[in-house]
Order: sequence, then C-alpha cells, then structure tokens
Amino acid sequence: EAQVTQNPRYLITVTGKKLTVTCSQNMNHEYMSWYRQDPGLGLRQIYYSMNVEVTDKGDVPEGYKVSRKEKRNFPLILESPSPNQTSLYFCASSLSADSNQPQHFGDGTRLSIL
Amino acid sequence: GQQVMQIPQYQHVQEGEDFTTYCNSSTTLSNIQWYKQRPGGHPVFLIQLVKSGEVKKQKRLTFQFGEAKKNSSLHITATQTTDVGTYFCAPQGGSEKLVFGKGTKLTVNP
Repeated sequence: EAQVTQNPRYLITVTGKKLTVTCSQNMNHEYMSWYRQDPGLGLRQIYYSMNVEVTDKGDVPEGYKVSRKEKRNFPLILESPSPNQTSLYFCASSLSADSNQPQHFGDGTRLSIL
Repeated sequence: GQQVMQIPQYQHVQEGEDFTTYCNSSTTLSNIQWYKQRPGGHPVFLIQLVKSGEVKKQKRLTFQFGEAKKNSSLHITATQTTDVGTYFCAPQGGSEKLVFGKGTKLTVNP
C-alpha cells in the first residue's frame, strides 16, 4: 500500500532534549517536505527536499534540521526543542517538485515540549 | 513569497445547507490544489485546477478557478455530516516551496 509513515505519532518531551521524527515513503517520490500545523495558522512548510541530498528552507525553518540521505527517508530533527515547537507535524511527499503533483501526507506527529 | 488568503476561517451550517470557501492569491497562479482534512486526520488531496475559468465537479463539490487565475472557490451543495472537516487551498505559483491557505473549518449540525 502506498503510504507516508511518520514516527512517533505522539511524543511528550522536555526542553533541550534532542529528538528526531522519522518520515518514510514507499512511492519512490522525489519531493518530500515537513509542515507544522497550529490553530489559526494552517499548514506552514518547515523544510523541503527536491531529491536526495537536496534540501531547502520553507517558511518556518528556525529550530529544525533535516537530511535526505536516501530517497525514501526524510527525518526532521529538533536539536534543542523549545515549548514554541509544540505542534502537530506532517510529512508529505509527491512524485516530483513539479507543482502539478498532489501531496501525500503522513498521519501526523503530535509533539509536546514541556 | 506566495501570499494566499482563505475565507471564511470557520463556517457552521445546518445539514442540507450549502457551503463555500474562497481562496485569493496576490499573484497569478500556475494551478491550485484543494485538500480536505477530517478531524484528527491528515490532509487528503481532492482536486487540482489548472486552466483559467476551469470548473470541476466531484458529486456535491464544485471547484472553480478564476479567469485571472488569482482566486478559487470550493462549493458544497446540500452539506452532509460527512463533509465536516477543514478545507485547504494550496495555490501553486511555480516555486518549489508549497504554501497552504489557513483553511476553512466546516462544522455541520445534523
């Protein structure tokens, strides 16, 4: 089954403790991205990747890192999480960076930073 | 970067009433996508509009793309409780960055 898989689905942690949210897709998609969703603010893009070893900042990249060493994986790294990063995070992928391609979203990861 | 305004932010309707959400861009778009997110779920792609003045229908949902390719609308006829959720537009301006509208949250009173 074609899907985007995020882990963990839920995480409660403390300020400053490094964490990684994994994202994997099995559709051989070139384009992957991370979003955060906050009430009243909609979906905001954090980082995106057009292909392996190619990443770039979205609209809200501060406090986050990403890597794209393999086509299928696109982990989101919070080196020193802070409470303002408490949010619902979605990973998404699409066939290519061509703007005609629909995004396929994972189920989401709810992060709480205390 | 791409700026988009989606209105209204919230809409509450009685079952059977119609519903419309609008998406307005500050610049001409190459295309626009629409997504639906059910409560507790993730956004799911609904449709893409590419041509100026394009109208597409999916059962009770009608999607329109403005003649100037700067605005779009999603209209639901005779809403049902299954229509509950947040509807997002995602205007595409040709950049690799993807921008989503803030969404319209629809609630339906049975």
